[in-house]
Amino acid sequence: QKEVEQDPGPLSVPEGAIVSLNCTYSNSAFQYFMWYRQYSRKGPELLMYTYSSGNKEDGRFTAQVDKSSKYISLFIRDSQPSDSATYLCAPGTGGFKTIFGAGTRLFVKA
Amino acid sequence: EPEVTQTPSHQVTQMGQEVILRCVPISNHLYFYWYRQILGQKVEFLVSFYNNEISEKSEIFDDQFSVERPDGSNFTLKIRSTKLEDSAMYFCASMPGETNEKLFFGSGTQLSVL
Repeated sequence: QKEVEQDPGPLSVPEGAIVSLNCTYSNSAFQYFMWYRQYSRKGPELLMYTYSSGNKEDGRFTAQVDKSSKYISLFIRDSQPSDSATYLCAPGTGGFKTIFGAGTRLFVKA
Repeated sequence: EPEVTQTPSHQVTQMGQEVILRCVPISNHLYFYWYRQILGQKVEFLVSFYNNEISEKSEIFDDQFSVERPDGSNFTLKIRSTKLEDSAMYFCASMPGETNEKLFFGSGTQLSVL
């Protein structure tokens, strides 16, 4: 079983749609849960950061962590064409090695 | 806003040559990383560096790779004898003083080995 799994997509939605991106992981020691956004040919950019279980909201973005099922979600409300990017989930233990999922490619059509 | 800077943005080299990729992390950060991304594939961890020594490295980071922080600002990745399969985008990242895993990435160096 892979340590971090994401559906690679691509996921194509119309502008204004609610987007749900998901990720599963296998290591129960993960305590930190990050979502990074990566535009084409650019470095990943930290988007959302959550410690332990629960929800966190930041503007149009909501991150949700369910440690009991090892399931991480990112919701984007009122999606915009500028949200078109690859979204990487990255759970971690607080150590020296952050592992990234393969990423889900999102296209938001104007 | 402070950022991680990487040079060069593109590097073309011949197989078997040595290359040095350079990074200037954010000035008050203490943890430094190299990742790579082969075209169309996932971002892969190579190595982390703290307190002037390697903290952790992946299986990819074999004897042909080395890292160095030669002064107070630069962080370099050296590939001693490049192979075709080393062609990838290499990202440097840094993190502030606690291991909360909030990584700040540079824009990357695209390495092409011919």
